[in-house]
Amino acid sequence: DQQVKQNSPSLSVQEGRISILNCDYTNSMFDYFLWYKKYPAEGPTFLISISSIKDKNEDGRFTVFLNKSAKHLSLHIVPSQPGDSAVYFCAAGGGGSNYKLTFGKGTLLTVNP
Amino acid sequence: NAGVMQNPRHLVRRRGQEARLRCSPMKGHSHVYWYRQLPEEGLKFMVYLQKENIIDESGMPKERFSAEFPKEGPSILRIQQVVRGDSAAYFCASSPDGRGDTQYFGPGTRLTVL
Repeated sequence: DQQVKQNSPSLSVQEGRISILNCDYTNSMFDYFLWYKKYPAEGPTFLISISSIKDKNEDGRFTVFLNKSAKHLSLHIVPSQPGDSAVYFCAAGGGGSNYKLTFGKGTLLTVNP
Repeated sequence: NAGVMQNPRHLVRRRGQEARLRCSPMKGHSHVYWYRQLPEEGLKFMVYLQKENIIDESGMPKERFSAEFPKEGPSILRIQQVVRGDSAAYFCASSPDGRGDTQYFGPGTRLTVL
């Protein structure tokens, strides 16, 4: 039973354009959501998070949107840069187990120069 | 300020051998978490430890896997009698508190079972 789903295994975008990565979840008890970026042979690096009581959080080129009624969140990267090429993981936490993160399978983003 | 350290980075074992993975948390962090990433999958929670205590091991396979975080030294994830299905990347995270949104991840140990 996958509680966090990233249905697009990969995404290719031109440099300077917007990248939109999507994530769906099934557990309405999650308290917060996070996006991690991961390069090959490295650990996940925290990118941005959002509380379940918010619908938007912005940090520089990165914005996360949360639609609770649809149980959907998305990460927008504007403008996309070649250095953004990596695997992006959506993760969720809280809901009675505040320390346990539940991850999606990841989306490989490729930003072409 | 060193981040979370894991060693070895790569570990090769033959079936039936033991694997020991080590994790040193960030300075000031007393909470440690282990996650496993199988090929083509996301990270899956295995176990949460504080110094000398296992808080939640609900994600650990019932047999052959154990974890500890002694008073002194790194946290150890031990896999006895490894099988091919144990081949994966094992990530350790640490946090200053018991929250998921304050976890910092190490670079991982890639275990290959021949």
